[in-house]
Amino acid sequence: KQEVTQIPAALSVPEGENLVLNCSFTDSAIYNLQWFRQDPGKGLTSLLLIQSSQREQTSGRLNASLDKSSGRSTLYIAASQPGDSATYLCAVEDAGNNRKLIWGLGTSLGVNP
Amino acid sequence: EAQVTQNPRYLITVTGKKLTVTCSQNMNHEYMSWYRQDPGLGLRQIYYSMNVEVTDKGDVPEGYKVSRKEKRNFPLILESPSPNQTSLYFCASSRPTGHTQYFGPGTRLTVL
Repeated sequence: KQEVTQIPAALSVPEGENLVLNCSFTDSAIYNLQWFRQDPGKGLTSLLLIQSSQREQTSGRLNASLDKSSGRSTLYIAASQPGDSATYLCAVEDAGNNRKLIWGLGTSLGVNP
Repeated sequence: EAQVTQNPRYLITVTGKKLTVTCSQNMNHEYMSWYRQDPGLGLRQIYYSMNVEVTDKGDVPEGYKVSRKEKRNFPLILESPSPNQTSLYFCASSRPTGHTQYFGPGTRLTVL
């Protein structure tokens, strides 16, 4: 059974710092991995999607990597800003036929001015 | 604007009173899904639909029903809500496998 773990559960950093969020999964049979952002009272915003055949994806100050063989992904945020404060969720798309996303519990990030 | 909408956004109801949470997407996506999010348990899939008239159970389907009569709509029905269905609900839609799943803003449901 696929399980997704995110470490750390919470993180507080000063503005401007570069940071790394970690995601691990137990079964390498995935179609893709997505990183989402969740803001209080708002929905889930997709940040990056990495296909199982890819190693990384970049969008602005965000870079996500995928090592399927070791079951790991990292989300790198460069030059963090207070507006980056949110919960970041990692989800893998199960390699079955129902397109189910298996989710981690998230990392709650606070960026202090 | 491409989006997934859910209504209502907030709902407080009582045990046993049937309710429907609507979900609509304007992106012509074949795939739609419902999740619930609970503290310490994360997001779990309730039901999903691969296309019109094709629905199937996810991991936590008990107490819920869905229908997919039109491509754009995927309502979640609670025939007899109970307090353990108090949760934050998200609807998602997507093109076929390999594409980003888009999520609605969420519906916070409280069952007293």
